Order: sequence, then structure tokens, then C-alpha cells
Amino acid sequence: DIVMTQTPLSSPVTLGQPASISCRSSQSLVHSDGNTYLSWLQQRPGQPPRLLIYKISNRFSGVPDRFSGSGAGTDFTLKISRVEAEDVGVYYCTQATQFPITFGGGTKVEIK
Amino acid sequence: QITLKESGPTLVKPTQTLTLTCTFSGFSLSTSGVGVGWIRQPPGKALEWLALIYWDDDKRYSPSLKSRLTITKDTSKNQVVLTMTNMDPVDTATYYCAHWYYYGSGSYDYWGQGTLVTVSS
Repeated sequence: DIVMTQTPLSSPVTLGQPASISCRSSQSLVHSDGNTYLSWLQQRPGQPPRLLIYKISNRFSGVPDRFSGSGAGTDFTLKISRVEAEDVGVYYCTQATQFPITFGGGTKVEIK
Repeated sequence: QITLKESGPTLVKPTQTLTLTCTFSGFSLSTSGVGVGWIRQPPGKALEWLALIYWDDDKRYSPSLKSRLTITKDTSKNQVVLTMTNMDPVDTATYYCAHWYYYGSGSYDYWGQGTLVTVSS
């Protein structure tokens, strides 16, 4: 199985300041079809997960442009340019390059 | 507009079989590239992938749970059913179904609200 490791576990952020979450995979996530199936999910308190970013850097429909994804191979980053109160929650990276699909352990974003 | 909704028992006893149904709308599970999967989340813990069924009836399972899981689809009813045998208290979790589109996001892009299943005698 591909292990997804996220850092930090928790990220206290001041409103309006940037936040960054890292995700490292135990193997390259480049698929034989040339795509890299690395996504980011947001889970607000009491809510189901929501897709933010897919294939490393593509924002899903309706996702604000303050969210951006980057990376390649085994190292990936989610950045929030200016944190807003509604961004509080847990963020997960996930890979679908190889079965079984796996998730990172989550990073909790909270307001200082 | 894609929506999914999970249904099933909220409480099951140890050793019983859990049957969950995902009823969806806004897409067809006969469309090439489309799939529906199940993911669970124990209280306060991370997400765990369980199974995925594709439009062509290809099925994938979590290796650690494969012997206990069965996923099926009823395209005419717009439903996907997950059964999990021999339930244990450690299987207590919120169970989510989600839409998958290989030719789009290549990820779970729409999620149901989830259903909390408690395993207890």
C-alpha cells in the first residue's frame, strides 16, 4: 500500500495569513497513463469531506482560488493564500494512482 | 446536480452483517469512467477506503477487508450496495459513499452526508 504522510498534524493560523500543508507518498504517484492522482479534501466540523484539488493542482468546481496545490512525484503541498474562518477543519491528501486508495492522516487547520 | 445518500441500520450487533445502500442522482452508473465507492471514518479518526465499483462492474476492495466486503450495483435503481460481514465494535464509523469519475477528477468528487453505524451488543 502507498502510505500518505501529512505534516503538520495541526496548523494554528491567524485570519488572513497563509497556511501550507505537506503530503508525502511512500512511492511515486505518477500513473502509467501519465496522470498523478493526488487530491486534497477538506472536512469542516460535522460535515462530509469535500474535494478541493485533484490531479495535484486542479481546483474542483466552486473552490475559491485562495486554495492551490502543487508538487510532483512523492511530495505535494496544499496552500491557502489567506485563511478565512470558513477554512477551519481537517484537510486530507489522498492518492488514487494505485489500489488500495489511501488517505493521509489529516491536518487540522484552526484559527489562533 | 449530483447527490448521494447513504442508508442502512444505525446499530448492529457484533458478528452481524451490515448492509448499506447508496442511492444517487444526477449521473448514471452505466456511463464510461463513472464509479461509486465507499469510505468510512471512525469517530475522531482519519478516512479509510473500503471499496469501489465501476460502470463496467469492475470491483476493487481494500485488501485488509476484502474477505468481509461485497459491493454491487443496480443501475436501474441508481443504487450501490455494500455488505460487510462479521461486524465488530472497531467497525463503528461513519460510512460515506462517493462519486468517482476517472475521465474527470480521477477522485471522489461528490460525497454523501454519511451514516453513522455503531456496532454494539
